[in-house]
Amino acid sequence: GAGVSQSPRYKVAKRGQDVALRCDPISGHVSLFWYQQALGQGPEFLTYFQNEAQLDKSGLPSDRFFAERPEGSVSTLKIQRTQQEDSAVYLCASSLLQGAMNTEAFFGQGTRLTVV
Amino acid sequence: RKEVEQDPGPFNVPEGATVAFNCTYSNSASQSFFWYRQDCRKEPKLLMSVYSSGNEDGRFTAQLNRASQYISLLIRDSKLSDSATYLCVVNSYTGGFKTIFGAGTRLFVKA
Repeated sequence: GAGVSQSPRYKVAKRGQDVALRCDPISGHVSLFWYQQALGQGPEFLTYFQNEAQLDKSGLPSDRFFAERPEGSVSTLKIQRTQQEDSAVYLCASSLLQGAMNTEAFFGQGTRLTVV
Repeated sequence: RKEVEQDPGPFNVPEGATVAFNCTYSNSASQSFFWYRQDCRKEPKLLMSVYSSGNEDGRFTAQLNRASQYISLLIRDSKLSDSATYLCVVNSYTGGFKTIFGAGTRLFVKA
């Protein structure tokens, strides 16, 4: 497809369950970002990849959150032992150039995670 | 204090009105700036970049004031379809790359 694709679109997890969220960026895009967006808030930065290298993971809220992009294309965000406060929309974005300075970031439609 | 701050609104304006949003940022090393638009339950999409000299795209004008560390978005002749949340975005590189979003300003344009 032409855009950023995320799956699943919706995920309901029981508290304590592990989840994996997938992001397929636009082909050839070097930079990939994960954001967490709570209801009524702007997207909060989680982590950034340049190709397969995770250059910044300072936004990951705890060690239960882990992201990878092993071949520099598809990325997975994993959340272990989910808690209710993890309920949010998880957005993935990609951009063409490294660092994405002065370039547009394209977002996927997000995965809405609800922890019950 | 958040790195990027916006008035959350909501701004309720009639069709045809002119409305302006401001956004302030705290990191003086910030290097590029954007306005994104987000419709309800949709992903953010780029509205326009913000250049130091100011830039205009149809009814939309964006300006940057580096000295005061704020950016603005002006919408003229508001349309019903302009109703959305407008997100201020700041890119900076200080040892590590960061793209920070503001919490957004909600706009409702009414007939």
